[in-house]
Amino acid sequence: DGGITQSPKYLFRKEGQNVTLSCEQNLNHDAMYWYRQDPGQGLRLIYYSQIVNDFQKGDIAEGYSVSREKKESFPLTVTSAQKNPTAFYLCASSISGGPYEQYFGPGTRLTVT
Amino acid sequence: GESVGLHLPTLSVQEGDNSIINCAYSNSASDYFIWYKQESGKGPQFIIDIRSNMDKRQGQRVTVLLNKTVKHLSLQIAATQPGDSAVYFCAENIPRPPNAGGTSYGKLTFGQGTILTVHP
Repeated sequence: DGGITQSPKYLFRKEGQNVTLSCEQNLNHDAMYWYRQDPGQGLRLIYYSQIVNDFQKGDIAEGYSVSREKKESFPLTVTSAQKNPTAFYLCASSISGGPYEQYFGPGTRLTVT
Repeated sequence: GESVGLHLPTLSVQEGDNSIINCAYSNSASDYFIWYKQESGKGPQFIIDIRSNMDKRQGQRVTVLLNKTVKHLSLQIAATQPGDSAVYFCAENIPRPPNAGGTSYGKLTFGQGTILTVHP
């Protein structure tokens, strides 16, 4: 089956710790994205990557970092500098050169206490 | 900054009725629009999209209407079913300015969402 996987589904961390969220796709898409979703709100773009070894900041990149070493993978690190890290994190991918439909993963719910 | 306790627009309909979900978009230069459905605790699912050179597009039980004059997008769901209950998001793609070169980089801007509840 082709698609996007995110793991884990639920993640708990103590304040001050960095945490890395996984995102893998086997759709052969060049472009990948990370969004954050807070209760009762829409999606806000954290980082995006149009091609391997290249990525750009989205609207709320502060406190986050990413890497894109492989086409299939786009991990997101939530650093201790992120002031309000508790949220639902969604990864997506699409054909590049768009705009085109973005395919979303199932999401990771991060809780930091 | 973030807002807390936002109340999403809601729409309640009876099973079998037609539903219309509205969205006002922000930028007259937006060239692509898309509707997603999101069930609780899951990732958004694609419903239908439309490009700015069109004003209507139909899918299975769904129709998207685009009114560029007033920057308005709507999603019509025919014969709404309980399984249609979810949060519906519209999103717009704002292309890069002409002097930036290249084509759109596919960055979508999402609306707040509308909660659709379908009663049996």
